[in-house]
Amino acid sequence: EVQLVESGGGLVQPGGSLRLSCAASGFTFSDHYMDWVRQAPGKGLEWVGRRRNRANSYTAEYAASVKGRFTISRDDSKNSLDLQMNSLKIEDTAVYFCARANIGGGSRSFDLWGRGTLVTVSS
Amino acid sequence: DIQLTQSPSFLSASVGDRVTITCRASQGISSYLAWYQQKPGKAPELLIYSASTLQSGVPSRFSGSGSGTEFTLTISSLQPEDFATFYCQQLSSYPITFGQGTRLEIK
Repeated sequence: EVQLVESGGGLVQPGGSLRLSCAASGFTFSDHYMDWVRQAPGKGLEWVGRRRNRANSYTAEYAASVKGRFTISRDDSKNSLDLQMNSLKIEDTAVYFCARANIGGGSRSFDLWGRGTLVTVSS
Repeated sequence: DIQLTQSPSFLSASVGDRVTITCRASQGISSYLAWYQQKPGKAPELLIYSASTLQSGVPSRFSGSGSGTEFTLTISSLQPEDFATFYCQQLSSYPITFGQGTRLEIK
């Protein structure tokens, strides 16, 4: 089955760290750019960042709100994408989704999403 | 950053109605626009990409149009399962951004 499954969410204090993982299955993970998107409770979608594939040197992009605090990594041998979150703030509280990017043939979209994992930053 | 403004933010409609949601970009994004549907407690699902291409498996009552700075999502005849929140997304440049969402409710 083609799917993405996030894990690692939970409750963390402000200033703390947390590492999320996304396990991919049913498709050739190494071919794709992979992204993280978050959604604060009752709010809209916010893009967090991207890790490109090997063909594009595994480079990364980040939203300004997380740059320098969050790091996206991937392990193609394990079909896994991680999000290391440091110096967490209350405003980082959100459901975090892993998403597969489709950038082929001039089209661009996020065509596969995980169900999300909730991160709560609170004292 | 490219800002996307959706209108309306809230829409009340009946089964069988035709509805249109607009997404305006603060600068030109060619056709690098996607539309998603999200139901409560669920992940977003891709409906339309490249402004007007229907994602595989999505019912043909959904359609998209536009290029540059103005885009629309149209549902030709609302079905009960269509009531949800809809988001546009631009993938023209970084940071990737989403519209604020349009919540579609049953009248």
